[in-house]
Amino acid sequence: DGGITQSPKYLFRKEGQNVTLSCEQNLNHDAMYWYRQDPGQGLRLIYYSQIVNDFQKGDIAEGYSVSREKKESFPLTVTSAQKNPTAFYLCASVRGGSNQPQHFGDGTRLSIL
Amino acid sequence: DAKTTQPTSMDCAEGRAANLPCNHSTISGNEYVYWYRQIHSQGPQYIIHGLKNNETNEMASLIITEDRKSSTLILPHATLRDTAVYYCIVRVANTNAGKSTFGDGTTLTVKP
Repeated sequence: DGGITQSPKYLFRKEGQNVTLSCEQNLNHDAMYWYRQDPGQGLRLIYYSQIVNDFQKGDIAEGYSVSREKKESFPLTVTSAQKNPTAFYLCASVRGGSNQPQHFGDGTRLSIL
Repeated sequence: DAKTTQPTSMDCAEGRAANLPCNHSTISGNEYVYWYRQIHSQGPQYIIHGLKNNETNEMASLIITEDRKSSTLILPHATLRDTAVYYCIVRVANTNAGKSTFGDGTTLTVKP
């Protein structure tokens, strides 16, 4: 079945360490998104990419980096510059040029050791 | 993308209709209204979307006002499993997808 796969489901980071969250989709979608969710709050947009080799900052991009070398992959790196990285991270994708809804992965929960 | 405003929380009795409002007063003519819901610690699930006409599917109905500045999601016979956070967003379609911003949503609690 087509869908979005986020891995790992749980991730632990030491202080000062960079970590990379994986997001892969086999839906042939053009656009991909990364959101951060803190407890009891909504989703905040970190980065999004509309096409391969192009991406734009969302509302809270500081301390994060992304790449989009392949259409199906949009990894998110949480750098040591992100001082409060503990959160639930969600990846989404959507087909460009359509009014179809975004598809979401099951999320990665990142915690600081 | 236009910003949306939703009530923080709502209650509904099991078996009754749940009506969830959303204000999007700055919506543009080419922006669609989408509704999603999120059950704790899962990814949001798509419910329904529309441009200006009312829409219905097996999950819910979407009523969009004539001026498109607000909409209402209707769950016709709410069950306990409908307890979730419901998000209303607006997004430009028929382009390269574009930015998609979520707010804090409405926490719907369905009570027995």
